Amino acid sequence: DIQMTQSPSTLSASVGDRVTITCRASQSISTYLNWYQQDPGKAPKLLIYSASSLQSGVPSRFSGSGSGTDFTLTISSLQPEDFSTYYCQQSYTTPQTFGQGTKVEVK
Amino acid sequence: QVQLQESGPGLVKPSETLSLTCTVSDGSITNYFWNWIRQPPGKGLEWIGHIYHSGSTYYNPSLKSRVTISVDTTKNQISLRLNSATAADTAVYYCARAPYIAAWFDPWGQGTLVTVSS
Repeated sequence: DIQMTQSPSTLSASVGDRVTITCRASQSISTYLNWYQQDPGKAPKLLIYSASSLQSGVPSRFSGSGSGTDFTLTISSLQPEDFSTYYCQQSYTTPQTFGQGTKVEVK
Repeated sequence: QVQLQESGPGLVKPSETLSLTCTVSDGSITNYFWNWIRQPPGKGLEWIGHIYHSGSTYYNPSLKSRVTISVDTTKNQISLRLNSATAADTAVYYCARAPYIAAWFDPWGQGTLVTVSS
């Protein structure tokens, strides 16, 4: 299985901050990388697909980049509703695997 | 806009079979991959497997010996069966749609918590 490693596991930030989350794959996955946001008690919500494509309806402050093994999710100006947990997921091969998650908390 | 809704028993006894159904509304099952994903309380996400509308399946090797996913296109439903359940299978179970095999999951159902306990 392809291992996905996110860093950091927890990130403390303030409203208005620029936030970057990193996801690293154990082998090259081209751009088969997707990002999700999950609030407590809710299902994950797709933010970014294919490494850098913004899902319809997702605010433009979210962006994704990377290819191969290293990827980033950036929130350009953190908003109150962005305090949440973020997961990356590789869809390059089955079984699809997820990162362990990054919790963005209030500083 | 397509909606997914999981349903099934919230409590399963150890060694018994965990059975869940995902009902798809306001959309067609055809031409999509339908996935089951689970999340133990306080932990990360694990992909269980998927099924295409034709009935073709692929399962996570870690669960393959115990999992069956099926589809009923007449009812717009996808089902999950997990045999020989243990406490380690306690999780929120989600169904989710993918547009093709190597793709993202969207949308997701709201999820249903299944507890394995006597």
